[in-house]
Amino acid sequence: GENVEQHPSTLSVQEGDSAVIKCTYSDSASNYFPWYKQELGKRPQLIIDIRSNVGEKKDQRIAVTLNKTAKHFSLHITETQPEDSAVYFCASSYNQGGKLIFGQGTELSVKP
Amino acid sequence: GAVVSQHPSWVICKSGTSVKIECRSLDFQATTMFWYRQFPKQSLMLMATSNEGSKATYEQGVEKDKFLINHASLTLSTLTVTSAHPEDSSFYICSARKPGVRLNEKLFFGSGTQLSVL
Repeated sequence: GENVEQHPSTLSVQEGDSAVIKCTYSDSASNYFPWYKQELGKRPQLIIDIRSNVGEKKDQRIAVTLNKTAKHFSLHITETQPEDSAVYFCASSYNQGGKLIFGQGTELSVKP
Repeated sequence: GAVVSQHPSWVICKSGTSVKIECRSLDFQATTMFWYRQFPKQSLMLMATSNEGSKATYEQGVEKDKFLINHASLTLSTLTVTSAHPEDSSFYICSARKPGVRLNEKLFFGSGTQLSVL
């Protein structure tokens, strides 16, 4: 079945620095790749997503890149702020089922 | 956006009892809902896909007789954890797919249910 690998598991950066989280998926049929931010005990919040027909998407300080050939995609957060501290999950899905398969998560800590 | 309500937000029960968790789409009809389980500091693991009016599709390794899913209406799916044991203690969260958008996009999550089995 589909598998999504996410790295790193933890990431600590200084406020203002950039953070990059990487994911690799296994199913070449996957065509939708969202990123979620989750705070402790709360629901995941969609922060950005990308479809397989696009290589890059940006929304203010957040960007996602997709390399279909290599089957990996990355989240880039620039000018990080303490409120960016949370657990971030990548996910993938394909048309047939619509179900999301999540990566293992990255705990991001932004130090003031 | 769309609103998905999940109830209860937390529940404590004795070992051997059953617990029902409800997931409601408040402002749209959801023919498909998904149930996830999340252990502390771990990822969201898909348990099953719930389809309105038909049997749920369970992921490999998930016991369908232990985790009963009912999706009797277009706005409500329920997950019942039967004969709960301490190892079932986890954060359970549902998501609903809003129709009218691409099949695999724009899933909306419920607020989650923290289950603690004593």
